[in-house]
Amino acid sequence: SQQGEEDPQALSIQEGENATMNCSYKTSINNLQWYRQNSGRGLVHLILIRSNEREKHSGRLRVTLDTSKKSSSLLITASRAADTASYFCATATGTASKLTFGTGTRLQVTL
Amino acid sequence: NAGVTQTPKFQVLKTGQSMTLQCAQDMNHNSMYWYRQDPGMGLRLIYYSASEGTTDKGEVPNGYNVSRLNKREFSLRLESAAPSQTSVYFCASSESPSSYNEQFFGPGTRLTVL
Repeated sequence: SQQGEEDPQALSIQEGENATMNCSYKTSINNLQWYRQNSGRGLVHLILIRSNEREKHSGRLRVTLDTSKKSSSLLITASRAADTASYFCATATGTASKLTFGTGTRLQVTL
Repeated sequence: NAGVTQTPKFQVLKTGQSMTLQCAQDMNHNSMYWYRQDPGMGLRLIYYSASEGTTDKGEVPNGYNVSRLNKREFSLRLESAAPSQTSVYFCASSESPSSYNEQFFGPGTRLTVL
């Protein structure tokens, strides 16, 4: 069963705008990771946030984690056409490296 | 560094045929994984190998077998392919079994079972 559900399923914005996507999960986690997948390609790791962290930044990415609500959000600021991709959250529920992926958000950034 | 490589890129099988998907990594990683990706389902873990010589079942192992041939290579075998195994298969690796390590993904194998 899927641990994570992403919202929205699809998002279309113009270049320069901010994009926010959300991930909800069901059980307690050790950490949560976000990955990007360009069309027809493998996934690329973006950022990891630990269960005891509330916010993390990496370049134009900002991730928040609310363990009381079992949810996370990924904010991409000043979006570019090259950000067009699917974005997945993945949760780790123990110390082992087994990840459970969400269903993904398809982001389209238009010029 | 090639990273994680997968062969073949595309494959069409008939029901009942067998095949092996190959995966290799050149990052000296200890842990390797096989996932399948179906439309609207995200990725689901089939099998993983925490270290050379060990393999464990993931979420959807039925119909598959794996072999951790050495530290670099991790293969996935379909003994008797079924249409339900039509999917895109991704191999991944990480430095160690720790959940704090990012996973590095290959480009995928698109498999169609008729």
